[in-house]
Amino acid sequence: GEDVEQSLFLSVREGDSSVINCTYTDSSSTYLYWYKQEPGAGLQLLTYIFSNMDMKQDQRLTVLLNKKDKHLSLRIADTQTGDSAIYFCAERRNTGNQFYFGTGTSLTVIP
Amino acid sequence: ETGVTQTPRHLVMGMTNKKSLKCEQHLGHNAMYWYKQSAKKPLELMFVYNFKEQTENNSVPSRFSPECPNSSHLFLHLHTLQPEDSALYLCASSQDSGTGGKYEQYFGPGTRLTVT
Repeated sequence: GEDVEQSLFLSVREGDSSVINCTYTDSSSTYLYWYKQEPGAGLQLLTYIFSNMDMKQDQRLTVLLNKKDKHLSLRIADTQTGDSAIYFCAERRNTGNQFYFGTGTSLTVIP
Repeated sequence: ETGVTQTPRHLVMGMTNKKSLKCEQHLGHNAMYWYKQSAKKPLELMFVYNFKEQTENNSVPSRFSPECPNSSHLFLHLHTLQPEDSALYLCASSQDSGTGGKYEQYFGPGTRLTVT
């Protein structure tokens, strides 16, 4: 399809790992991004991965990329209540140089 | 604080009103964007400006009119809106909208628009 797809909601218990999944659309997309949106705020870049990588780790965040399936995931280790937010997956396509975002996944961390 | 500011933060307007949203970036970027964020829908790109020139217009109704007087300021002029236009309008900027590089976008906090 044309849309970047994400599940709308995810709930995890504090201290557990969270995995947020995304399916993107263009196999030629060069960069894939994860953004975080806290209540009342704009989107903030969390991390990104270049398309020739299959994994990137940054402290508690691990990004996995499966180019064959056009699947991107964000794993948050030891999830904290401050991680509660909406997480957006985005791809930067080569055609038109535009960013395409998903619906966002609302992560709720239960104390 | 991302270096991108938007005013007003909240706006309520009637369908016959005319209003403008303002965005300012203090990052020295060359590209600026307007997005519409509606519940349960993907973030929708509305307009892209690169070096003050409009490079993208994603089939946005003419009741939304963008203006980019310089690379630091972006406006969205609104007139005769419909209730379904109620949404969060986000402004973003990046170093360039051209090819190559990661060109991450920096977002403002958004304007929550309600059309009555």
